[in-house]
Amino acid sequence: EAAVTQSPRSKVAVTGGKVTLSCHQTNNHDYMYWYRQDTGHGLRLIHYSYVADSTEKGDIPDGYKASRPSQENFSLILELASLSQTAVYFCASSDLGGPSAETLYFGSGTRLTVL
Amino acid sequence: AQSVTQPDARVTVSEGASLQLRCKYSSSVTPYLFWYVQYPRQGLQLLLKYYSGDPVVQGVNGFEAEFSKSNSSFHLRKASVHWSDSAVYFCAVSMRYGGSGNKLIFGTGTLLSVKP
Repeated sequence: EAAVTQSPRSKVAVTGGKVTLSCHQTNNHDYMYWYRQDTGHGLRLIHYSYVADSTEKGDIPDGYKASRPSQENFSLILELASLSQTAVYFCASSDLGGPSAETLYFGSGTRLTVL
Repeated sequence: AQSVTQPDARVTVSEGASLQLRCKYSSSVTPYLFWYVQYPRQGLQLLLKYYSGDPVVQGVNGFEAEFSKSNSSFHLRKASVHWSDSAVYFCAVSMRYGGSGNKLIFGTGTLLSVKP
């Protein structure tokens, strides 16, 4: 079964500190995504990647960096965490071919609190 | 630009009652449409999706949705809800992003509460 695993499950960070959120998928999917969920906003796309060693900006990339060192792994990096980045972060993967094309498979999320 | 509107932030129904969750989309072309469900402390899971053809699509757990091009809608329905259906439901529309990749644009979600 397709699987996307995120770590940590939750994290408390200090303002100005560096935060790295990790995502690992065993779906053999080419595409991976980082979304942010805020109450009243649904999910918004931060960064995505369609191949290892390459990342693309989504709708709200400011304050975030992404890294895709391999097909399976995709990280989201907050170099200088701010209060406004308190949210739940979801990683997802997808493929553009086959019966599951266009479907996103999500991890369970990382709840980040910045103090 | 594509967008999705879910006008109801919260819906409460009694167990066994029928359900409709509303979704309106805005797109210059017929988009790919999705309904996802998020159970407490979990990620989103696909309920159903529409690409083309029969406007009524069946999903998991007895859910179905009907696409209406004239109304720009993709409402989710269930004939008889169960308490375990309590969750947040997201409508989403798909578009190609920057020439590659599949970007989903999500609505703000509808919290469904099922009363016993």
